[in-house]
Amino acid sequence: GDSVTQMEGPVTLSEEAFLTINCTYTATGYPSLFWYVQYPGEGLQLLLKATKADDKGSNKGFEATYRKETTSFHLEKGSVQVSDSAVYFCALSDPPTGANSKLTFGKGITLSVRP
Amino acid sequence: EAGVAQSPRYKIIEKRQSVAFWCNPISGHATLYWYQQILGQGPKLLIQFQNNGVVDDSQLPKDRFSAERLKGVDSTLKIQPAKLEDSAVYLCASSLGQYNEQFFGPGTRLTVL
Repeated sequence: GDSVTQMEGPVTLSEEAFLTINCTYTATGYPSLFWYVQYPGEGLQLLLKATKADDKGSNKGFEATYRKETTSFHLEKGSVQVSDSAVYFCALSDPPTGANSKLTFGKGITLSVRP
Repeated sequence: EAGVAQSPRYKIIEKRQSVAFWCNPISGHATLYWYQQILGQGPKLLIQFQNNGVVDDSQLPKDRFSAERLKGVDSTLKIQPAKLEDSAVYLCASSLGQYNEQFFGPGTRLTVL
């Protein structure tokens, strides 16, 4: 079945540091890929997405590129801020436009950014 | 625009008791989802509704969990009787349709003692 694997956390960085959060996936078809973020006390929010190979999703300074050859969708940001402290989830939707476009999530990783 | 509303936000019960959660999706959203998020894991889909019909309930433990979406708007998720392993955050999400972005509510944190 489909699965998403995220790197182990938590991650603690200083403000303005470079961020990489690894995500790899297993899917039978050609999924869409997503990063969701959950700020303290809030619901999950879509951060960015990519629907086909080599697509790059971007939002709020975060980027992730859909790499079919390595089945990866790593999240990066060049300079993190304290306000980026949250839990980040990688997810896939397979089939991307089928009758049951349900999301499969990774375990999530907690990011803490120190001033 | 109002987001997805859920209540209660927190619930503590003893095992073998019953509990119900309520979700009010974003107005006009035809698709509604219930997810279970156990501590340290990602959300897992329990059930998906399209209007008031069930699209996918393959991961719903039907011996103790039930859900309904009367009139295709609000939804309730019930657990009867609860077990210790049901302790989790229950998330409700909605979308315009099955292929659209899902918007999540804040969740209900259930603790079963």
